[in-house]
Amino acid sequence: AQSVSQHNHHVILSEAASLELGCNYSYGGTVNLFWYVQYPGQHLQLLLKYFSGDPLVKGIKGFEAEFIKSKFSFNLRKPSVQWSDTAEYFCAVIPYSSASKIIFGSGTRLSIRP
Amino acid sequence: DTAVSQTPKYLVTQMGNDKSIKCEQNLGHDTMYWYKQDSKKFLKIMFSYNNKELIINETVPNRFSPKSPDKAHLNLHINSLELGDSAVYFCASSQVLAGAQETQYFGPGTRLLVL
Repeated sequence: AQSVSQHNHHVILSEAASLELGCNYSYGGTVNLFWYVQYPGQHLQLLLKYFSGDPLVKGIKGFEAEFIKSKFSFNLRKPSVQWSDTAEYFCAVIPYSSASKIIFGSGTRLSIRP
Repeated sequence: DTAVSQTPKYLVTQMGNDKSIKCEQNLGHDTMYWYKQDSKKFLKIMFSYNNKELIINETVPNRFSPKSPDKAHLNLHINSLELGDSAVYFCASSQVLAGAQETQYFGPGTRLLVL
């Protein structure tokens, strides 16, 4: 079955530290890839997405992600985190064969110490 | 302007009651979804409608019945509410282009608490 794995369930960092959140998926064909963020008590918002082209994608708020097809990975990065980045981060994948079904990872909770 | 809106934002009710949650999108999308997010933040898709037709129906009790009066609206009716139904319910919408799904946009969520 197709799945998305986010291995870090809870990450705790200090402000200004660098961030990398892992995301791996299991599907051999073409995929569309997404990172969503959910701030405390709020809805999911799109951070960035990859459909095709340059595998290094830049999103909002200084986030970026790199699609490495050979590793089936789409890791999220930010060079210097802020306290306001405290949130839940979800990786998501849409296999190209599935016109409608998006598969979410289990989420990574990011806590930033001021 | 709110792209995907849901009402109510909060819903507290007794076990056994019947309740509805409404969702509207003004993005012109042709596909809408309902997700359930449990206390551990796990997101599970429940239903998906494309142009008012049901296309995804995950393993959800038949107490949950979605209704799509038009492609801009997808309502969720829940009969005989149970304690385990307590969760946050998110509506989302997207556009399917050339057989591939574009970005999903989420509503603000409805926090349901069953007592």
